[in-house]
Amino acid sequence: NAGVTQTPKFQVLKTGQSMTLQCAQDMNHEYMSWYRQDPGMGLRLIHYSVGAGITDQGEVPNGYNVSRSTTEDFPLRLLSAAPSQTSVYFCASRINPADTGELFFGEGSRLTVL
Amino acid sequence: EDQVTQSPEALRLQEGESSSLNCSYTVSGLRGLFWYRQDPGKGPEFLFTLYSAGEEKEKERLKATLTKKESFLHITAPKPEDSATYLCAVQAGGNNDMRFGAGTRLTVKP
Repeated sequence: NAGVTQTPKFQVLKTGQSMTLQCAQDMNHEYMSWYRQDPGMGLRLIHYSVGAGITDQGEVPNGYNVSRSTTEDFPLRLLSAAPSQTSVYFCASRINPADTGELFFGEGSRLTVL
Repeated sequence: EDQVTQSPEALRLQEGESSSLNCSYTVSGLRGLFWYRQDPGKGPEFLFTLYSAGEEKEKERLKATLTKKESFLHITAPKPEDSATYLCAVQAGGNNDMRFGAGTRLTVKP
């Protein structure tokens, strides 16, 4: 019963490096999203996808890329890491985009950019 | 723009001391208000969805209520294991995404 799986759990990068945070769900959910969580600011939406091949920007998309080639996977790419991207990143999914049901979250990926 | 404000930022209670957490929201066309619990180092876990003013939902020691401007999460006779950060979120209008508040960090002392 995996749910939403994120890797890696922890990562340290140097400024300017690139990396990909992986997210996979095994619930056949159409809707997937990426949030970042910073102290005092709550969860903020970075990018989301309403189905394979369809992505859109959220509240804080700059510096991040996403793609959705399969229903299961929704990777988040940092193109050139900056210290301002130090945060905890959460991937979440829901059964369909327009639904008002619960979001299922992964355990998070803690990223530090030096 | 949709806004969600939670108060207080932090709350310390003695075991058995009941209290309430507040979530004020400003949205256009509320479709759902959500409460989540988040333990340190973990992802948020779903608690409740409320859809319309006057609605109430309960789960163990937690009860969530909704008005047209705010939601309360009432905690009755809390236990130390209720210690966590409680997040409120709204889904509104034509948006498929949720807007989250900053959370209330609850600590229950034995």
